[in-house]
Amino acid sequence: SQTIHQWPATLVQPVGSPLSLECTVEGTSNPNLYWYRQAAGRGLQLLFYSVGIGQISSEVPQNLSASRPQDRQFILSSKKLLLSDSGFYLCAWSPGGDGYNQPQHFGDGTRLSIL
Amino acid sequence: KQEVTQIPAALSVPEGENLVLNCSFTDSAIYNLQWFRQDPGKGLTSLLLIQSSQREQTSGRLNASLDKSSGRSTLYIAASQPGDSATYLCAVLMEYGNKLVFGAGTILRVKS
Repeated sequence: SQTIHQWPATLVQPVGSPLSLECTVEGTSNPNLYWYRQAAGRGLQLLFYSVGIGQISSEVPQNLSASRPQDRQFILSSKKLLLSDSGFYLCAWSPGGDGYNQPQHFGDGTRLSIL
Repeated sequence: KQEVTQIPAALSVPEGENLVLNCSFTDSAIYNLQWFRQDPGKGLTSLLLIQSSQREQTSGRLNASLDKSSGRSTLYIAASQPGDSATYLCAVLMEYGNKLVFGAGTILRVKS
C-alpha cells in the first residue's frame, strides 16, 4: 500500500532563517506531488505541484521554492522566512499520468511558526 | 477564477441527527469534486470523489451529490456520531491545469 511521510511535524523558526520541509511517498511510482499551505481559518492553497523529477509548477509567487530531486521526494524550501510564511503545510500525492483525476492523499502536515 | 464556498462555516448538532453540508463553486469546468475530512492538527482524509459526469457517490453513512450545471454539491451525513466531529472540506479539480481548489471548510461538532 502507498504511504506518505512528511516531516518535521512542528517547526519554530526565526524570521530570516532558511527552511527545508521534506515529503516522501512509498509504494507507488511517478506520482503527482503537491505542496499546500493552510492558513488559520482558511482553505488550502496550492503552492507547487510536480508531475515528474525536476518538473515543478508554481501557483503562487512568494519566497518559497520546491524541488523534486527523486521520483518520490518533494522538498519545500526558503532562503529567508517571513512572518507571513507561518501556517500548516501539507504534502499530497495522486497517481501519475491520468491519475490526477483520482483522490489526492495527504500527509500529516507540518505546523510552521515564525517568530 | 474558481471560487469554492462552503455553508455553514460551523455546525453543532446532537448525536443521531442527519445533516447536510453545502458546497458551491463558480466555474463549472471541473473534472471532479472531492470531499475531505480534517481532524484538528492533522492532514486530510479523502471521503468521496464525484466525477463531473456523475450525480452522486455513497460511502457508508455518507452521500455526496453533484449538480455541475448549477455549481453545487451537498454532503449528507446520516445518523451523526461524535466521531464525525471534524472539519469537512470540499474541493474541485479544474479542467485546466492540475489543480484542486478548496473551500474554507465546515467545522462540525456532534454532541453526545
